[in-house]
Amino acid sequence: DQQVKQNSPSLSVQEGRISILNCDYTNSMFDYFLWYKKYPAEGPTFLISISSIKDKNEDGRFTVFLNKSAKHLSLHIVPSQPGDSAVYFCAASANAGGTSYGKLTFGQGTILTVHP
Amino acid sequence: DGGITQSPKYLFRKEGQNVTLSCEQNLNHDAMYWYRQDPGQGLRLIYYSQIVNDFQKGDIAEGYSVSREKKESFPLTVTSAQKNPTAFYLCASSIFRGTNSPLHFGNGTRLTVT
Repeated sequence: DQQVKQNSPSLSVQEGRISILNCDYTNSMFDYFLWYKKYPAEGPTFLISISSIKDKNEDGRFTVFLNKSAKHLSLHIVPSQPGDSAVYFCAASANAGGTSYGKLTFGQGTILTVHP
Repeated sequence: DGGITQSPKYLFRKEGQNVTLSCEQNLNHDAMYWYRQDPGQGLRLIYYSQIVNDFQKGDIAEGYSVSREKKESFPLTVTSAQKNPTAFYLCASSIFRGTNSPLHFGNGTRLTVT
């Protein structure tokens, strides 16, 4: 039962253009969503998060959008840079009475390649 | 520098042997987690601990065991009962006081069992 899905295994964009990574979820109890970036043979690095009370959160070149009715979130990277090339994971957690913070469910990941 | 240290980076074992992966953090985080990553899959939760001397099974705990005797340390033992132990293992930690906080990950241990 894949509760968090990233349906695009890979994405290729040109440097300077926008990268849009998508993520869908099925569990309506999820109320906190995160994006992580991962290089090979390293641990994931936290990128940006959003609470379910918001529909947008921005941090520099990175913006996360949340559409609760569609159970969909996306990560926009503008402008894309070659150093952004990595695997991007979306993750979600459900605050089941405050006991589940940090217990994340991850998507399968999307490999982003940014070409110079 | 605060962070999470996993050792060793690469580990090789023969089938039937138990092996323990180390995870230490100096972030003063309350909660610690073990995840497993397989090719083409997301990270899957093995065990987590919200406080010293307490831990909970995650989604794929069978064949694994953990201990949390110190706040800083959360070792994972991969037992011979784990049917597919070859994987990339990631340890993480987070603040746990009823607030949303991201997980901070170590750089992982790649375990190969032959």
